[in-house]
Amino acid sequence: EPEVTQTPSHQVTQMGQEVILRCVPISNHLYFYWYRQILGQKVEFLVSFYNNEISEKSEIFDDQFSVERPDGSNFTLKIRSTKLEDSAMYFCASSKRTGVNEQFFGPGTRLTVL
Amino acid sequence: AQSVAQPEDQVNVAEGNPLTVKCTYSVSGNPYLFWYVQYPNRGLQFLLKYITGDNLVKGSYGFEAEFNKSQTSFHLKKPSALVSDSALYFCAVGYNTDKLIFGTGTRLQVFP
Repeated sequence: EPEVTQTPSHQVTQMGQEVILRCVPISNHLYFYWYRQILGQKVEFLVSFYNNEISEKSEIFDDQFSVERPDGSNFTLKIRSTKLEDSAMYFCASSKRTGVNEQFFGPGTRLTVL
Repeated sequence: AQSVAQPEDQVNVAEGNPLTVKCTYSVSGNPYLFWYVQYPNRGLQFLLKYITGDNLVKGSYGFEAEFNKSQTSFHLKKPSALVSDSALYFCAVGYNTDKLIFGTGTRLQVFP
């Protein structure tokens, strides 16, 4: 069964450094998403991406964040200058369509900012 | 504003007994409702969804959920719990947008 994969599983970085989180969505999916889950809190939407552009983003997704689909398979989330409060589990998801279709989630990348 | 509430942080149930994990939502218009399960060190796995039609929705692993419009609820149920059902369960709502709004999660503990 096809799965969303994410690398790395755990990333440790210093405050102020740039990080890139990588995801490979399910191959025939067209919509891609990033969510995050701060420890002990709810899963929060960050951004959705379709047809090579952002279709929706939350207030969390400020200009320190960016997403890219650099080739036909990868989907990346970049944080330009990490802050302590960016420490969280970051989940990538994909779906065939938006709205009614379920989103399939990857296993997550745990980002720790020191 | 759209929101989802899962009023119980934890639900404990004996194996073989029925289980219910509660979810209520607040959204204008007709929502799309989802249940996901999260096992330790794993991502969120889709269980079931309600879009329209029958209020009782059947999903993976013997789970089902009942959509109740008047009570704005979408409780997750299973007739006979298994120890292996122990996990974190999230209710989520979507509404004509890309994003899913998640509840805070309910930890289900099934004991032998």
